[in-house]
Amino acid sequence: QPVLTQPPSASGTPGQRVTISCSGSSSNVGGNLVNWYQQLPGTAPKLLIYSNNQRPSGVPDRFSGSKSGTTASLAISGLQSEDEADYFCAAWDDSLNGWVFGGGTKLTVL
Amino acid sequence: EVQLVESGGGLVKPGGSLRLSCAAPGFTLSNDWMSWVRQAPGKGLEWVGRIKSKTDGATTDYAAPVKGRFTISRDDSKNTLYLQMNSLKTEDTAVYYCTKDGFVSSLFDYYYYGMDVWGQGTTVTVSS
Repeated sequence: QPVLTQPPSASGTPGQRVTISCSGSSSNVGGNLVNWYQQLPGTAPKLLIYSNNQRPSGVPDRFSGSKSGTTASLAISGLQSEDEADYFCAAWDDSLNGWVFGGGTKLTVL
Repeated sequence: EVQLVESGGGLVKPGGSLRLSCAAPGFTLSNDWMSWVRQAPGKGLEWVGRIKSKTDGATTDYAAPVKGRFTISRDDSKNTLYLQMNSLKTEDTAVYYCTKDGFVSSLFDYYYYGMDVWGQGTTVTVSS
């Protein structure tokens, strides 16, 4: 059972804005930085957001991250068909002394 | 940008052993912290463990399900990361990814932020 909780699915139409949540506790999301990863079908995960809200170079500014308390969020604006993928959040857990992931959210672009 | 290439996956019987490798052709990994992450078929991501750079003591951390059975090591002379897997169980069946972990390093900030660059993965199947 994943330590971080994400909705299993999300959807939107092209151009819409969608948000994916990631809920944890004070030992992980609440006390540490959160990363988001995008996994396109049949490929390896790719870092999308690090340190709660930082975008690696090359990631479009349509993707943004935020955190409040023990919940982090990934927002995707101007949804495009190529955004259809699985999205995972991750955070260091001080109690487990390791990285923990959310179960992943499958984003469908209708 | 650095590319990571995993190898060594395959089919192994329960109780058996396997050693995975991760190389970065043309790049030096000696100053990097590296991790292994796995993904069981149709499932999410699971962190396996991490090794720090030699400068930082080359210390390792492991997830509870693999502690005592898996060992992460590095040979900086060969620019290669390893994952030695012993006493394999059927639940270890997964695609195994190595990652180069990232640091923010600026005038005012220095911190570790975890898994940054990912390899393409290598498949391990544990079955009788």
